[in-house]
Amino acid sequence: NAGVTQTPKFRILKIGQSMTLQCTQDMNHNYMYWYRQDPGMGLKLIYYSVGAGITDKGEVPNGYNVSRSTTEDFPLRLELAAPSQTSVYFCASSESPILEQYFGPGTRLTVT
Amino acid sequence: RKEVEQDPGPFNVPEGATVAFNCTYSNSASQSFFWYRQDCRKEPKLLMSVYSSGNEDGRFTAQLNRASQYISLLIRDSKLSDSATYLCVVIGFGNEKLTFGTGTRLTIIP
Repeated sequence: NAGVTQTPKFRILKIGQSMTLQCTQDMNHNYMYWYRQDPGMGLKLIYYSVGAGITDKGEVPNGYNVSRSTTEDFPLRLELAAPSQTSVYFCASSESPILEQYFGPGTRLTVT
Repeated sequence: RKEVEQDPGPFNVPEGATVAFNCTYSNSASQSFFWYRQDCRKEPKLLMSVYSSGNEDGRFTAQLNRASQYISLLIRDSKLSDSATYLCVVIGFGNEKLTFGTGTRLTIIP
């Protein structure tokens, strides 16, 4: 099993550009999450999903959108990138919220 | 008050020593607690869950104090490979979202 995979690993965006961060898991988990981690900080939840077709906002959803058309994929869309969105983005999945979350390797995004 | 608070450290500890750090949480209805480990520039990985009765996994012991609303992690006979950031994670009652602490950075010195 590959677990949770994320692409790309690195990306530099100009202000105002858009992009989609891809996340795929092969563990058949219903729960998937997107987090951002700023330097020296903990993870902040952006969006999460409890199953295909169901998504909900986390702590810091502004400037982002998600969709969940399949169990495996949970892409994160950035519209009109801003410098404040410079961060490391982690996708995670779990069988249940109270069980272990499995994280992808992260995407390092810089907006200049 | 933050939902989950940790001393950011750094804790610089000699190899073989015992080190402990705490994590406080503000929501008394929180139901599930975890310690995750994050190596530099890597993704977090589950270290251990924290049970009400306390639990041990080799050199690691986790405890929960509901009265004072904190969890703790004790590492005995520390190894160089224990150097990492330790993230405290709390889940509220009936909640599907995890709240992460900012992490405690631990460096084991040879």
